[in-house]
Amino acid sequence: QLQLQESGPGLVKPSETLSLTCTVSGGSISSSSYYWGWIRQPPGKGLEWIGSFYYSGSTYYNPSLKSRLTISVDTSKNQFSLKVNSVTAADTAVYYCARHFRYCSGTSCYYGFDYWGQGTLVTVSS
Amino acid sequence: SSELTQDPAVSVALGQTVRITCQGDSLRSYYASWYQQKPGQAPVLVIYGKNNRPSGIPDRFSGSSSGNTTSLTITGAQAEDEADYYCNSRDSSGIWVFGGGTKLTVL
Repeated sequence: QLQLQESGPGLVKPSETLSLTCTVSGGSISSSSYYWGWIRQPPGKGLEWIGSFYYSGSTYYNPSLKSRLTISVDTSKNQFSLKVNSVTAADTAVYYCARHFRYCSGTSCYYGFDYWGQGTLVTVSS
Repeated sequence: SSELTQDPAVSVALGQTVRITCQGDSLRSYYASWYQQKPGQAPVLVIYGKNNRPSGIPDRFSGSSSGNTTSLTITGAQAEDEADYYCNSRDSSGIWVFGGGTKLTVL
């Protein structure tokens, strides 16, 4: 059974860098069938896609966050990481990592986030 | 535009049928996926593609799409279906967007 687990500091000061790691067990992040991504949810609000990467190196970022984001991969540890620079209170959220699949049948391709971590709350405050 | 629009709240009587909709230009080209989220829990994928349910999702959940609108239908809503529901899709540049979410109340 695939499992994802987020880890990292729960409190970050304004203007500093938020760093989170997602550890994947029960499957390889080098699988050619899947993307891996980050999603966040501010308290009481909706989901926001942050970014995703493909094992080959392609990375996709939310345009509204792109200038502050870095997603990196450590295949030896089966982990991927998120860094958000210059954080403000608006970055306070539950951060989820998730597996992002792409399934194609004929001329149609289907996508979805099928496995999620439990989420970790990151608060930006001095 | 990559925006996806959902009604903020919908209610349904126990055992009745409810449709939750999601609108956006990207839906003319790409299928959406739907997620159920209960308080304090991670989202759960309930529908993807044309009308596909992951293993373990009850068959009362179904999906459909037409033009720029995709819908999640719950036929015979149960008390445990009360949750927030989010649609998600991509655009041609590989950017992913979630709808704002719909809070479903089962009366």
